[in-house]
Amino acid sequence: TQLLEQSPQFLSIQEGENLTVYCNSSSVFSSLQWYRQEPGEGPVLLVTVVTGGEVKKLKRLTFQFGDARKDSSLHITAAQPGDTGLYLCAGARDNDYKLSFGAGTTVTVRA
Amino acid sequence: DAMVIQNPRYQVTQFGKPVTLSCSQTLNHNVMYWYQQKSSQAPKLLFHYYDKDFNNEADTPDNFQSRRPNTSFCFLDIRSPGLGDAAMYLCATSTGLAGLAQYFGPGTRLTVL
Repeated sequence: TQLLEQSPQFLSIQEGENLTVYCNSSSVFSSLQWYRQEPGEGPVLLVTVVTGGEVKKLKRLTFQFGDARKDSSLHITAAQPGDTGLYLCAGARDNDYKLSFGAGTTVTVRA
Repeated sequence: DAMVIQNPRYQVTQFGKPVTLSCSQTLNHNVMYWYQQKSSQAPKLLFHYYDKDFNNEADTPDNFQSRRPNTSFCFLDIRSPGLGDAAMYLCATSTGLAGLAQYFGPGTRLTVL
């Protein structure tokens, strides 16, 4: 059973459209990370959120951590083909340096 | 630049022939992790070292072993690779402070013939 549920599993959109990926759990996390992984490469850290209700922006990417620290979302505005990849959320619980990963969302942005 | 390096990037082995994958880091992080990742799935933790302390996940097969001779290097040994072991193997590091992010290497793609 996956501790973190990501949705949707696959997302295919046209360049210029917006998209949102969700990461949900029944567990509380002390922090949550989002990674992007391109084919044949390792995951690259995009952001870490640690405070309930926190919103972080990274250019066209907006990350939100739920008030109860059980869920998170990633919103991409005006998606570009370079945004294509596997997006992974991963949570860390209190006093734990291991991460629980979601199953990932494969995003394809068509030119 | 501080980083996590994995060698080789691609490894081909034969069924049953032992193989060793290498990871090195310049981040001076306390913890090094090995993950197995199959196509478009989440990485699956195999084991990790906190300094010299080895921590195995309960469902990691005995076929997988690891060595960490010093802070910078960690090796993954697959004693008798099977076809089901073909995957991307990812090394990651972290400071070991609870809740902080992990930093991944580029991975080694293992093919078993």
